[in-house]
Amino acid sequence: GAGVSQSPSNKVTEKGKDVELRCDPISGHTALYWYRQRLGQGLEFLIYFQGNSAPDKSGLPSDRFSAERTGESVSTLTIQRTQQEDSAVYLCASRRDRGLSGKLFFGSGTQLSVL
Amino acid sequence: ELKVEQNPLFLSMQEGKNYTIYCNYSTTSDRLYWYRQDPGKSLESLFVLLSNGAVKQEGRLMASLDTKARLSTLHITAAVHDLSATYFCAVVLDRGSTLGRLYFGRGTQLTVWP
Repeated sequence: GAGVSQSPSNKVTEKGKDVELRCDPISGHTALYWYRQRLGQGLEFLIYFQGNSAPDKSGLPSDRFSAERTGESVSTLTIQRTQQEDSAVYLCASRRDRGLSGKLFFGSGTQLSVL
Repeated sequence: ELKVEQNPLFLSMQEGKNYTIYCNYSTTSDRLYWYRQDPGKSLESLFVLLSNGAVKQEGRLMASLDTKARLSTLHITAAVHDLSATYFCAVVLDRGSTLGRLYFGRGTQLTVWP
């Protein structure tokens, strides 16, 4: 596609439920990032995938969070047993190259609200 | 862990004035990004700075990078209302165990008034 696509754009869930967020990166982009942005705050790193290398998961805040990516395609971020503090915008971004010099393109995000 | 500090965090300026936003970071890196975020929107890439002394300009915005000082600046010339947004800098580590991770500053919320 033309840009990074995320779905759903909005998700309202009840505390304790599981949610799955999806990111379709730009075709051919090897790097994919997930970030979280709480209201009025900066971006909090969650996880980074680079091609077929082992992902950098060190930003995941708890074992309730997990993410998968198959090859250089779609990624899903799963949050189990959601808590109210998980409410935030979850942003996905992708980059073409392995040399860290390219632009990072962000999706429009998924606004997650946990009631 | 790399720390990225922006200042000011809030900036209110009159149209036509000049101002500079500063981005300091704590660990050696040659790669720095500037992003713009409008309310309720995602991040838009403004500049990618890849070497010491790099300077890039687009319209009323000019970004520079001094890797020795671990400092980047975003200079605004003759501000207009359309520049009102939040501006983030981000630094990528190009070595070590967190290779490739981007570290973001907290953002500078810019408001330009008539």
